[in-house]
Amino acid sequence: DAKTTQPPSMDCAEGRAANLPCNHSTISGNEYVYWYRQIHSQGPQYIIHGLKNNETNEMASLIITEDRKSSTLILPHATLRDTAVYYCIALSMYSGGGADGLTFGKGTHLIIQP
Amino acid sequence: DSGVTQTPKHLITATGQRVTLRCSPRSGDLSVYWYQQSLDQGLQFLIQYYNGEERAKGNILERFSAQQFPDLHSELNLSSLELGDSALYFCASSARGTDTGELFFGEGSRLTVL
Repeated sequence: DAKTTQPPSMDCAEGRAANLPCNHSTISGNEYVYWYRQIHSQGPQYIIHGLKNNETNEMASLIITEDRKSSTLILPHATLRDTAVYYCIALSMYSGGGADGLTFGKGTHLIIQP
Repeated sequence: DSGVTQTPKHLITATGQRVTLRCSPRSGDLSVYWYQQSLDQGLQFLIQYYNGEERAKGNILERFSAQQFPDLHSELNLSSLELGDSALYFCASSARGTDTGELFFGEGSRLTVL
């Protein structure tokens, strides 16, 4: 599965939109982009995923560039409870390695400032 | 609440001992995954079971073993414990086999080896 690159940390003011970038320049056509987050010492939580089109759910929006080499996770109105480590993962659905394909890197530590 | 239950939540033991961590997946989920997270490492995938059979293996030490029982709960056995095994151990489940990246994580079992 493709390697992803994320900034190690970001700050965002409470109430503002948090935009978390992810680079996955070697992503292949059958690889999805998944986002998870982990609030301190809790189990990781699935946020959203997408293949080509932009996606939105109750938690966030996912914007994937047309060439699919990068994506941005958007938390529209960040709250203090959104402070967490956010992981961007490229996952192939057809490799049969969906489990070991779910490889967590170091992620981005997002800190929401009051 | 993800629906995945892990016990015990905390465990303190001595080097050389053996412990068993237990995981009950969400109702109906056939796949169970085990991850290890130590202070200086990210989330490391250990092993995955699907409907009782081992499906994928990650960085699992030979001193560690796991199984999934007919009722779909899983156990992770850690033996000959070393100080470096101190970590959070997460279990996750998913509805299907390896064709999904949406995993539901438990709250983890924190193991301290003294």
